[in-house]
Amino acid sequence: TQLLEQSPQFLSIQEGENLTVYCNSSSVFSSLQWYRQEPGEGPVLLVTVVTGGEVKKLKRLTFQFGDARKDSSLHITAAQPGDTGLYLCAGARTGNQFYFGTGTSLTVIP
Amino acid sequence: DTEVTQTPKHLVMGMTNKKSLKCEQHMGHRAMYWYKQKAKKPPELMFVYSYEKLSINESVPSRFSPECPNSSLLNLHLHALQPEDSALYLCASSQVSSGYEQYFGPGTRLTVT
Repeated sequence: TQLLEQSPQFLSIQEGENLTVYCNSSSVFSSLQWYRQEPGEGPVLLVTVVTGGEVKKLKRLTFQFGDARKDSSLHITAAQPGDTGLYLCAGARTGNQFYFGTGTSLTVIP
Repeated sequence: DTEVTQTPKHLVMGMTNKKSLKCEQHMGHRAMYWYKQKAKKPPELMFVYSYEKLSINESVPSRFSPECPNSSLLNLHLHALQPEDSALYLCASSQVSSGYEQYFGPGTRLTVT
């Protein structure tokens, strides 16, 4: 049983379109991270959200942490081919426990 | 500096070989992790070290043997692996306190023949 479920699992869109990826759980996390990973490389940290209801913006990416700290979303505006990759959310709990989401594979077509 | 380094980048080994993967970080992090990742799947946790002591072993077969010689280094010793062990092996580090993010290395692509 996966603690964090991401949706959609796969997403293929045209350059310039907007998209949202969801990361949902029934458990509470002390913080939540979003990573992007390219094939054969390690995940690269995009953002950490800590406070319930927090919104962070990173250029065309907007991250939100749910009020109850159980879920999060990633919104990309005007997607570009360079956004292609595997997007992973990861929730942190006590005792250095990190739980990864199921992953969303994004392809942006030029 | 948020860099975690891993060597080698690629490794091909036979089922009777013994090899080691290495990981290093200089961020002062006292928690270090080994993950195994198959293509297009999320990383699966294998081991967690906290203050150089093994704190979590996710029921990993004994053919994988971790070692943390000091606060900056983490090794994974491999022996008698199976072809299904072929994967990307990722090392990560973080602060020990809860709520801190992990930083990942680039991984070692392991192929067992």
